[in-house]
Amino acid sequence: DAGITQSPRHKVTETGTPVTLRCHQTENHRYMYWYRQDPGHGLRLIHYSYGVKDTDKGEVSDGYSVSRSKTEDFLLTLESATSSQTSVYFCAISRGTQANYGYTFGSGTRLTVV
Amino acid sequence: DQQVKQNSPSLSVQEGRISILNCDYTNSMFDYFLWYKKYPAEGPTFLISISSIKDKNEDGRFTVFLNKSAKHLSLHIVPSQPGDSAVYFCAARPMDTGRRALTFGSGTRLQVQP
Repeated sequence: DAGITQSPRHKVTETGTPVTLRCHQTENHRYMYWYRQDPGHGLRLIHYSYGVKDTDKGEVSDGYSVSRSKTEDFLLTLESATSSQTSVYFCAISRGTQANYGYTFGSGTRLTVV
Repeated sequence: DQQVKQNSPSLSVQEGRISILNCDYTNSMFDYFLWYKKYPAEGPTFLISISSIKDKNEDGRFTVFLNKSAKHLSLHIVPSQPGDSAVYFCAARPMDTGRRALTFGSGTRLQVQP
């Protein structure tokens, strides 16, 4: 299975501070995604990437930016954290065009904005 | 507007019985449907999928049924085991040239009682 690591696993930050979450994969998959999980909402797509410097917005992208300068790393940045961004964040990779492969998810980052 | 809906937040069944988890969707452009299972403090893991050209797919104790006319899919687990206790998400992939971000439902928490 593809190695996918998220860091940090837990973070508490203050309102208004910038925060960067990292997703690292050990295999050469093109497709990477950031989702957030909230009670009653399931998993909602924030941003996604189809390769180096190729990114696009998801349904809840406001307040977030991403960067992908290397295939293996996909960074999610909260420019100025707000309490509404308290959530569990999951990174996922996809094995390309094989639909039945689905995604492989990281273990998540629990972010608390106080 | 939620395109993928799981209207039952929770379900409790007895060990050995059948668990039926339901999912409805509104977008006719979805061409692939997937189920994921999530344990606490872990990322979701892929369980089973079905193409829109099929109406059933089976994998061991897990069967997914798709009713396209009703825009409804269901996951059957037979027999249910205590280790199946988890949150289950259904997901759908839009027909697209290559941007294959999944849309997830809000999840159903399954508890299997010993």
